[in-house]
Amino acid sequence: GESVGLHLPTLSVQEGDNSIINCAYSNSASDYFIWYKQESGKGPQFIIDIRSNMDKRQGQRVTVLLNKTVKHLSLQIAATQPGDSAVYFCAENSPDSSYKLIFGSGTRLLVRP
Amino acid sequence: DAMVIQNPRYQVTQFGKPVTLSCSQTLNHNVMYWYQQKSSQAPKLLFHYYDKDFNNEADTPDNFQSRRPNTSFCFLDIRSPGLGDAAMYLCATSSRTGIEQFFGPGTRLTVL
Repeated sequence: GESVGLHLPTLSVQEGDNSIINCAYSNSASDYFIWYKQESGKGPQFIIDIRSNMDKRQGQRVTVLLNKTVKHLSLQIAATQPGDSAVYFCAENSPDSSYKLIFGSGTRLLVRP
Repeated sequence: DAMVIQNPRYQVTQFGKPVTLSCSQTLNHNVMYWYQQKSSQAPKLLFHYYDKDFNNEADTPDNFQSRRPNTSFCFLDIRSPGLGDAAMYLCATSSRTGIEQFFGPGTRLTVL
């Protein structure tokens, strides 16, 4: 069978509250960052991206903040809904290949009704 | 709708019995990727194709092979599956100029 995986950090929020998911990235040379959402049994789905020449980018109900000084990325979800329950991965472009992504370890978001 | 399709969605194989997973895309993207994802872990890149150029990750076991007969299709062959190969296998694509990767729904592989 499948190996036992690592225990994912979990964020539990009340429906309607705002969620903040954090990510520390590894390479100061990375210049492109993506947040993916992965629902159970599905492939990762693009949410929002940001380039290193920006420190904030907003989408529909989501905002990504980039702090290059401390190599930190965050995803803010406004008015969290039950459909937001999923695992969220940050990813950065690999410095040795523009076609490769390096994924963070993921955070599970649970939305309480 | 343009998309990445993986077949089958669920695959059961026996220990040591070769298995092939398939991926097709209607996005006409140059780059195709295969990832392995185990429970509660991030996707792990196995290899990728830039057009017909094959790029293997250094830590991808020889047990895993890939074929890309044309732009639209890419196959993952596992020559002798072990219990540790049970996982979700994700196919993704990206364009020549883009970094964003578009993922298929994955194939869940069970090894008995």
